[in-house]
Amino acid sequence: EPEVTQTPSHQVTQMGQEVILRCVPISNHLYFYWYRQILGQKVEFLVSFYNNEISEKSEIFDDQFSVERPDGSNFTLKIRSTKLEDSAMYFCASSDPGQQETQYFGPGTRLLVL
Amino acid sequence: AQSVTQPDIHITVSEGASLELRCNYSYGATPYLFWYVQSPGQGLQLLLKYFSGDTLVQGIKGFEAEFKRSQSSFNLRKPSVHWSDAAEYFCAVGPGGYQKVTFGTGTKLQVIP
Repeated sequence: EPEVTQTPSHQVTQMGQEVILRCVPISNHLYFYWYRQILGQKVEFLVSFYNNEISEKSEIFDDQFSVERPDGSNFTLKIRSTKLEDSAMYFCASSDPGQQETQYFGPGTRLLVL
Repeated sequence: AQSVTQPDIHITVSEGASLELRCNYSYGATPYLFWYVQSPGQGLQLLLKYFSGDTLVQGIKGFEAEFKRSQSSFNLRKPSVHWSDAAEYFCAVGPGGYQKVTFGTGTKLQVIP
């Protein structure tokens, strides 16, 4: 069964450094999302992406964040200058044109900012 | 605005016992409702979803959920719990289309022998 994959599974970085989290959505999906889950808290929406542009973003998704689909298979989330409070599990999700409302999630990247 | 409440943070059940996890939602129109499960160290796996039609929906791993519009609830059930069901369960609501899904805070399920 096709799955969303994410790399790396874990990343440790220093405050102020840039990080790029990578996702490979399910191959025929056209809608892409990033969510995050701070330890002990609920899963929160960050951004959705369709047709090479952002469809919706939350107030969390400020100028420090950006998303990109650099090629036909990858979908990335960049955090330009990480802060301690960016430490979280980041989930990528995708959905297909026939079932846009159903999002399939990847295993997540655990980001720790020191 | 859409929101989800999962009133039970932690539930412990014996293996073989029945299970019901509660979920209440707030949404202005007909919601799209989901249950996801997150096993330790794993991502979010879709258990089942409801959009319309029969209010009792079947999902994977023997789970089912019932939509009750009058109570704004979408409770998850399983007749007989297995040790492998120990995980965190998230209820979620969305407006449909490719718009964001809003999650509840989750219910952590512990299964004892």
